[in-house]
Amino acid sequence: GAGVSQSPSNKVTEKGKDVELRCDPISGHTALYWYRQSLGQGLEFLIYFQGNSAPDKSGLPSDRFSAERTGGSVSTLTIQRTQQEDSAVYLCASSLDGELFFGEGSRLTVL
Amino acid sequence: AQSVAQPEDQVNVAEGNPLTVKCTYSVSGNPYLFWYVQYPNRGLQFLLKYITGDNLVKGSYGFEAEFNKSQTSFHLKKPSALVSDSALYFCAVRTTNTDKLIFGTGTRLQVFP
Repeated sequence: GAGVSQSPSNKVTEKGKDVELRCDPISGHTALYWYRQSLGQGLEFLIYFQGNSAPDKSGLPSDRFSAERTGGSVSTLTIQRTQQEDSAVYLCASSLDGELFFGEGSRLTVL
Repeated sequence: AQSVAQPEDQVNVAEGNPLTVKCTYSVSGNPYLFWYVQYPNRGLQFLLKYITGDNLVKGSYGFEAEFNKSQTSFHLKKPSALVSDSALYFCAVRTTNTDKLIFGTGTRLQVFP
């Protein structure tokens, strides 16, 4: 596609439910990144993929968070048993040569 | 470990005046440095990057940044600010050893007419 696509753009869920956030990167981009941006805060690194493997998962906040990437393309970030502190905008970016291209983000609200 | 600091939460400047948004970094090895901008209700957009070569890097919308190795800084500058430059600016760093890009906490730039 022309840009990085994320879905859903908005998700409201109840505490304790599981959510899946999807990222469709720019075609041909080998690297894919997930960040979290809480209200008024900076970008918190979560995980990045090079191809289908994740060399660095150090930013995942807890074992409730997981991510996968298949076929070197689409990635899914899964949050299990959501908590209110998980409320944030989850940003995905893809890259070919170091410059990141960001999607519009998925805004997650946990009630 | 790599890190980046943006010491100012907000910078206020009058339209037409020069602006500077500060960034310092800490890495092991040679840094790759980036500036991104986030306009209200928009995604992040790339402004400019330093990889190697000339310490003064020119980017989009008239912005430039100067890499200073001795001060480990990469301040963003513009000679004449516009009201439309008002946005949230992020500095980011990675090294040649990793693709992991770490962002600063962001600086909100407010340009007043």
